[in-house]
Amino acid sequence: SQKIEQNSEALNIQEGKTATLTCNYTNYSPAYLQWYRQDPGRGPVFLLLIRENEKEKRKERLKVTFDTTLKQSLFHITASQPADSATYLCALGHGSGNTGKLIFGQGTTLQVKP
Amino acid sequence: DTEVTQTPKHLVMGMTNKKSLKCEQHMGHRAMYWYKQKAKKPPELMFVYSYEKLSINESVPSRFSPECPNSSLLNLHLHALQPEDSALYLCASSQEGGVRVGGQYFGPGTRLTVT
Repeated sequence: SQKIEQNSEALNIQEGKTATLTCNYTNYSPAYLQWYRQDPGRGPVFLLLIRENEKEKRKERLKVTFDTTLKQSLFHITASQPADSATYLCALGHGSGNTGKLIFGQGTTLQVKP
Repeated sequence: DTEVTQTPKHLVMGMTNKKSLKCEQHMGHRAMYWYKQKAKKPPELMFVYSYEKLSINESVPSRFSPECPNSSLLNLHLHALQPEDSALYLCASSQEGGVRVGGQYFGPGTRLTVT
């Protein structure tokens, strides 16, 4: 069966450092992968989308890589700030036949300490 | 307007009640979604509407009944729910699915408690 694993439930880092979150998947061939941020009691917020034919995407302090051979995506936040503390979810989706259907990983809760 | 709104924010209902959750977006998105999220778990897809037609039903019990009256509105009708249905119900929208898929925009959710 399809499985998505985010490397850890919680990640604690010091302000200014780079946070690296991992998303691994098995028994799945996604057409694209997305990363979301979720704060407690609120809906997820879309951050980045990367397609299967793309290796890397950047947006301000965020960088996502996608390795379909390793079946892995890495999500980096550089120069992290306490305001980056939240739960980060990866989500995999199919391109054809399924309108925007996403399967979410369990999430990694990032805590950035000042 | 890049916002998805949901009403009500909180809802407490008994197992014999009938209630509805409402969702609205004015971004011109043609795909809309209902998700259920339990505490410390990821969102789970329930339904997908594409161009106002139901395209995905993830084997959701019939006590949940979705409706898409027009391209901006999405409702979820609730009837005879069970206590285990208590959760955060999230609505989302996106431009469309398929190869031009983009990110999904989520509303703040409705916190549902079934007593």
